[in-house]
Amino acid sequence: SFELTQPPSLSVSPGQTASLTCSGDVLPQQYVSWYQQRPGQAPVLVMYKDTERPAGIPARFSASSSGTTVTLTISGVQAEDEADYFCQSANSVGTYYVFGSGTKVTVL
Amino acid sequence: EVQLVESGGGLVQPGGSLRLSCAASGFSVSSNYMTWVRQAPGKGLEWVSIIYSGGQWHYADSVKDRFSISRDNSHNTLYLEMNTLRGEDTGVYYCARGGPGDWYFDLWGRGTLVTVSA
Repeated sequence: SFELTQPPSLSVSPGQTASLTCSGDVLPQQYVSWYQQRPGQAPVLVMYKDTERPAGIPARFSASSSGTTVTLTISGVQAEDEADYFCQSANSVGTYYVFGSGTKVTVL
Repeated sequence: EVQLVESGGGLVQPGGSLRLSCAASGFSVSSNYMTWVRQAPGKGLEWVSIIYSGGQWHYADSVKDRFSISRDNSHNTLYLEMNTLRGEDTGVYYCARGGPGDWYFDLWGRGTLVTVSA
């Protein structure tokens, strides 16, 4: 098994940049995906294969990868970006999946 | 419309059983890998189980030997049979579709609440 580590919270002012990190020993070998979950709603995929943005996700969402850490960046944060963000990965054969504990993004 | 709709949640006593359903529309569950993810109240997401298009399935250690994932291709529905339920199984259960390629989930249902309590 493996773990993914995320900081529990992050506060950011509107228009500023939010950088959310996800760390894990497997990340140099395995892709990370990111999910946004607004209060009372289901998760929504906002990034996959480390840096790929799904259709319909605003361009202010981007990501980068370096060694054991993947970073989701929200540029020009808007009030609607206030949510919990979870990273996720899997082992190399897709028999075991893990979510990070999540980062709560608060827009001040 | 492409969507997933879960049902079957409810209140069950410890040691009891429940079957969750996830009806898919706009795509075929048999052609995609499908998963169940749960979320305890106020907590994060926890992967529960997955079934691949070839029929292989896998489970989290926390539910192994108690939960069973399956699908009905004719009804385009995913199931999760849950037995010997415990208090720690309480939460919202989401079904989700696997995205093309490696190991992520691109479509989620709205979830169904399971409460295990006496």
